Amino acid sequence: DADVTQTPRNRITKTGKRIMLECSQTKGHDRMYWYRQDPGLGLRLIYYSFDVKDINKGEISDGYSVSRQAQAKFSLSLESAIPNQTALYFCATSDPGTGNTIYFGEGSWLTVV
Amino acid sequence: DQQVKQNSPSLSVQEGRISILNCDYTNSMFDYFLWYKKYPAEGPTFLISISSIKDKNEDGRFTVFLNKSAKHLSLHIVPSQPGDSAVYFCAAIGRGTSYGKLTFGQGTILTVHP
Repeated sequence: DADVTQTPRNRITKTGKRIMLECSQTKGHDRMYWYRQDPGLGLRLIYYSFDVKDINKGEISDGYSVSRQAQAKFSLSLESAIPNQTALYFCATSDPGTGNTIYFGEGSWLTVV
Repeated sequence: DQQVKQNSPSLSVQEGRISILNCDYTNSMFDYFLWYKKYPAEGPTFLISISSIKDKNEDGRFTVFLNKSAKHLSLHIVPSQPGDSAVYFCAAIGRGTSYGKLTFGQGTILTVHP
């Protein structure tokens, strides 16, 4: 089983709809992140959380919100989806005690039509 | 404003030869650099990293070189194998920045032909 699990893996939604992407991790890490990948732009940070009571905006947070329900769970919401939010979304975790790297989930493909 | 740039969208190499993937950065505050590898339908996985206090780090077939004066780093894969075919992302993090806030390049698609 993957250490970082994202659901759904694929979703097509309509413009204006609310969509939530969920992430859960079994690594026991305090720090969790949401990134999006777009062709030609690499991965960009949307939001990050260093513990359950900590939420921070990343590089491209407009149009998104997050919720850290527990140490192991971090969800990303698009309150009113728009077509340019069509992308591949990655959840990730890290822990300073385990070295300078972050661990990614398998990704969630979101298409907004 | 792309602070980390991978100017080659793709690279094709013959099996057994050397693959060299390049990355340039503009932010002089970056002091730690990482390479991630991504296969289709999977998340990126950590490959190798280098601190700005070093100019080389080696791990098996993978070596990363850092040229701070040129703000350039490269990943060498020797010898290249077909299983190395993937997208490679260069990433950087700045001095004093909370770890995990990586700045990524656009990625380079490496294809290793048998």
